[in-house]
Amino acid sequence: GESVGLHLPTLSVQEGDNSIINCAYSNSASDYFIWYKQESGKGPQFIIDIRSNMDKRQGQRVTVLLNKTVKHLSLQIAATQPGDSAVYFCAESQGAQKLVFGQGTRLTINP
Amino acid sequence: GAVVSQHPSRVICKSGTSVKIECRSLDFQATTMFWYRQFPKQSLMLMATSNEGSKATYEQGVEKDKFLINHASLTLSTLTVTSAHPEDSSFYICSARGASLGEAFFGQGTRLTVV
Repeated sequence: GESVGLHLPTLSVQEGDNSIINCAYSNSASDYFIWYKQESGKGPQFIIDIRSNMDKRQGQRVTVLLNKTVKHLSLQIAATQPGDSAVYFCAESQGAQKLVFGQGTRLTINP
Repeated sequence: GAVVSQHPSRVICKSGTSVKIECRSLDFQATTMFWYRQFPKQSLMLMATSNEGSKATYEQGVEKDKFLINHASLTLSTLTVTSAHPEDSSFYICSARGASLGEAFFGQGTRLTVV
């Protein structure tokens, strides 16, 4: 299978600060990207998505940036809260084809 | 967002038996369903992609005779782990996507323990 990760990288931020989580994707033909949040023992939860014809999209407290030139995706979370603690995954797909996940980043919030 | 229900959430079975996991889209038609496997502290590994009424497409290294996938309707897909062994113990997650090719919605996951 694809996207088999090793140990998850961790990002620690102070409560109230902004968080930036990065992801490098593999398929230059991917045209749709999603950020998911996963809490322990649960399935992934949709956060925000972006199509390849855009380079930025904003949601509530979250912003996704897409740089197709270097195949890089980032998720910015404003004013990070304790409830934001989770593992964050980016996922990519091409048309109707498979949805492949990136390695994931564990976000921890320091009080 | 749309709701995907996965059942059971936890199952313990004896080695050599088979286990069936169901994935249902409750309020939309899932033209495509994905099955993933996740080991502790790792990412989701795609096992197979299934389109309603068609045979599933398995990822390299995934045994199709061991992990049987059926997607007989637009709201239901099943994954059967046949002749389960302890190394099959894992967290299995399904995902469903509609014809709009937008976001995929995920089930709650199934924790399989083979003893």
